Amino acid sequence: AQSVTQLDSHVSVSEGTPVLLRCNYSSSYSPSLFWYVQHPNKGLQLLLKYTSAATLVKGINGFEAEFKKSETSFHLTKPSAHMSDAAEYFCVVTLTSGTYKYIFGTGTRLKVLA
Amino acid sequence: DADVTQTPRNRITKTGKRIMLECSQTKGHDRMYWYRQDPGLGLQLIYYSFDVKDINKGEISDGYSVSRQAQAKFSLSLESAIPNQTALYFCATSDNTGSPLHFGNGTRLTVT
Repeated sequence: AQSVTQLDSHVSVSEGTPVLLRCNYSSSYSPSLFWYVQHPNKGLQLLLKYTSAATLVKGINGFEAEFKKSETSFHLTKPSAHMSDAAEYFCVVTLTSGTYKYIFGTGTRLKVLA
Repeated sequence: DADVTQTPRNRITKTGKRIMLECSQTKGHDRMYWYRQDPGLGLQLIYYSFDVKDINKGEISDGYSVSRQAQAKFSLSLESAIPNQTALYFCATSDNTGSPLHFGNGTRLTVT
């Protein structure tokens, strides 16, 4: 079975400082992992994906994430926060084969302070 | 134009009414999903469909039904709406196992 835990429900950073949103996963088989961003009144937009290729994954808007199998983590980072990054972020896990299930974390709300 | 389009964007209805939420996609994906989002709970799967003749229940299908009218269209119905079905509903598509989901902008449903 798969599961995903987002370790922080809220994160606040100052504009221009680094962002770290933490995600730990559990999976019996090879996982696919995703980060999505949701702005108010919008759908979920794919930021980046890991599907068993390179462990350091670069996404849109300057975000990246590193797949660490030994730590079962897939943390999302950005070197310098922008006001437009304020949103809710979801970590999602599924398998690379044999399932229809996508398991969603409960979300991390990112606040960016001026 | 959005690849996954949901209508309506907002809907207020009364307890006991039947309503339908519609989803259409231009991505050419075979797989379509309906999710429900409640604050602090992430997204929960209501129904999914891997092709026009394939409909499957998800984790929280009670009180809901779906219809896959074509590869591009997947509608969700609430037969008799109740207040605890007040939520944000998302349609999504994917092209294969392990591929990312592509979401519509959601329908905010309020049942009074």
